[in-house]
Amino acid sequence: AQSVAQPEDQVNVAEGNPLTVKCTYSVSGNPYLFWYVQYPNRGLQFLLKYITGDNLVKGSYGFEAEFNKSQTSFHLKKPSALVSDSALYFCAVRDMRDSGYSTLTFGKGTMLLVSP
Amino acid sequence: EAGVVQSPRYKIIEKKQPVAFWCNPISGHNTLYWYRQNLGQGPELLIRYENEEAVDDSQLPKDRFSAERLKGVDSTLKIQPAELGDSAVYLCASSFPRDRVSDTQYFGPGTRLTVL
Repeated sequence: AQSVAQPEDQVNVAEGNPLTVKCTYSVSGNPYLFWYVQYPNRGLQFLLKYITGDNLVKGSYGFEAEFNKSQTSFHLKKPSALVSDSALYFCAVRDMRDSGYSTLTFGKGTMLLVSP
Repeated sequence: EAGVVQSPRYKIIEKKQPVAFWCNPISGHNTLYWYRQNLGQGPELLIRYENEEAVDDSQLPKDRFSAERLKGVDSTLKIQPAELGDSAVYLCASSFPRDRVSDTQYFGPGTRLTVL
């Protein structure tokens, strides 16, 4: 089965500074990777995905992610953090099931706290 | 465009009582997913529907959980009887697959269930 790991439970950054939220993956075959964000008492919101092509993927709200095949990583980045970016971030990988259909397998999440 | 709608948003019940959650996916999305998100964890798939057919329910605890999507649009997830360990957030998601390996899923706000 495919899996992702988010090594940090929490990331703290000051507003205006660049941020990175880390994700590593373990897959057989080509990975389909995703980032979602979850605000308090709300569902997950899609940020971006990597299927193929450019290793730098641009997504919503100024976020981007860099796919690195040699390091099996897919880190989420933003050049300048906002206080409103404070939320729980999930990395996910497409996982093919025995049914022949796919689903998403999520990491445990990383809480991002941006201080004013 | 309206997003995925779920109700209720919160539910508190005594153990051994039944409970039901409702989901209306994004219009035109043939694929519907139910996930369970335990505290401090990422969502885990319970069941996936393609139209009205449950194509992947291997993770659904069938002794107490049931789901239906009779007309291939909205769906209901039921627990009977509920146990303390069922306390979690139940998320519904939908997608419009072009093939079996659908990728981007759009999530509803979830139902937070507390079993006392």
